[in-house]
Amino acid sequence: DADVTQTPRNRITKTGKRIMLECSQTKGHDRMYWYRQDPGLGLQLIYYSFDVKDINKGEISDGYSVSRQAQAKFSLSLESAIPNQTALYFCATSGTGYNEQFFGPGTRLTVL
Amino acid sequence: GENVEQHPSTLSVQEGDSAVIKCTYSDSASNYFPWYKQELGKGPQLIIDIRSNVGEKKDQRIAVTLNKTAKHFSLHITETQPEDSAVYFCAASIIIAGNMLTFGGGTRLMVKP
Repeated sequence: DADVTQTPRNRITKTGKRIMLECSQTKGHDRMYWYRQDPGLGLQLIYYSFDVKDINKGEISDGYSVSRQAQAKFSLSLESAIPNQTALYFCATSGTGYNEQFFGPGTRLTVL
Repeated sequence: GENVEQHPSTLSVQEGDSAVIKCTYSDSASNYFPWYKQELGKGPQLIIDIRSNVGEKKDQRIAVTLNKTAKHFSLHITETQPEDSAVYFCAASIIIAGNMLTFGGGTRLMVKP
């Protein structure tokens, strides 16, 4: 089984709808991240969490919120989706004191 | 904050040739530079990284070089194979700051058989 899983893998929604993307990990890592990927722009950090009680904004947090329900679960919400939030979203994890980040398979979100 | 630029955005090579991808960074405090490979339909995966206390690191067919003075680093892939075709991302971070990665825009490498 994959160490970092994301659900759903694909989602099409309409403008104004509330959407939640979920991430779960079995790696036992404390640190979790949400990234957005747009063509030619690499990966941009939306939010990150270093433990269950720690939530921090990344470089593009406007329009997004997160919830760290447990060490293993980190959810990303779009309260009112808009078309320019159409993108590929990745969750990642890393262990405290370690550099490597482990990415999930991604969620492709389309907002019409 | 840190800004990482990556070139080229696309690269096409013949199987067996070498491929070089270059990145520049802006923050002289950055001291950790990983490279990630993203295959179609998958998340990025770390393939090699380098810290600022070394100038070069090699792992079989891939190598990374770092020039701290010029603030640029490069990925070198020798004897390319079709399975090297993917999108490659460079990144930079400051380890003691929690290792928040700033990514380059990515390079789509195509290896033609």
